[in-house]
Amino acid sequence: DGGITQSPKYLFRKEGQNVTLSCEQNLNHDAMYWYRQDPGQGLRLIYYSQIVNDFQKGDIAEGYSVSREKKESFPLTVTSAQKNPTAFYLCASSIAFHRSGYTFGSGTRLTVV
Amino acid sequence: AQSVTQPDIHITVSEGASLELRCNYSYGATPYLFWYVQSPGQGLQLLLKYFSGDTLVQGIKGFEAEFKRSQSSFNLRKPSVHWSDAAEYFCAVGAGGNTDKLIFGTGTRLQVFP
Repeated sequence: DGGITQSPKYLFRKEGQNVTLSCEQNLNHDAMYWYRQDPGQGLRLIYYSQIVNDFQKGDIAEGYSVSREKKESFPLTVTSAQKNPTAFYLCASSIAFHRSGYTFGSGTRLTVV
Repeated sequence: AQSVTQPDIHITVSEGASLELRCNYSYGATPYLFWYVQSPGQGLQLLLKYFSGDTLVQGIKGFEAEFKRSQSSFNLRKPSVHWSDAAEYFCAVGAGGNTDKLIFGTGTRLQVFP
């Protein structure tokens, strides 16, 4: 079955370390997205990519970086410049320009200690 | 700019009671609207969507939503709630332009009492 896989489900890192969250999809979707979820704040867009080798900043891109070298993969790196990285991170994908909504992964909970 | 407001942070209902979750949007043209559901620690699942046409949209799990342009609303309803419906519900609107980005509301947490 097609879907989106986020790994790991739980991630612990020490303050000051960079960490990379994985997102892989086999839906043949063109567009992929990273959102951050904090209690009471809904989902906030970090980065999105509509085609391979191209990506755009979302509303809260500072302290994060991404790459899109393959259609199937859109990893997110949380850098040491992100002041408050502890959060639940959601990856999603969609058919480009189809406006059919997103398919979401099951999320990664990052805790920085 | 497009935006979505979910006025109710937390709603509690009894099992078997009817449910209505409110969603108001701000959008210049005809919006495309979505409702998603999220169980704790999980990703979001699409319940239903509206693009155009019939303003009453049927979704999965017995949910429906009605688009009311005059009120800029897209409220989610269910006639009889089950304990398994306890979750967080998000309304979203398409950001428009040349992207498929969605803008999400802050969510409504539904609690169901037996």
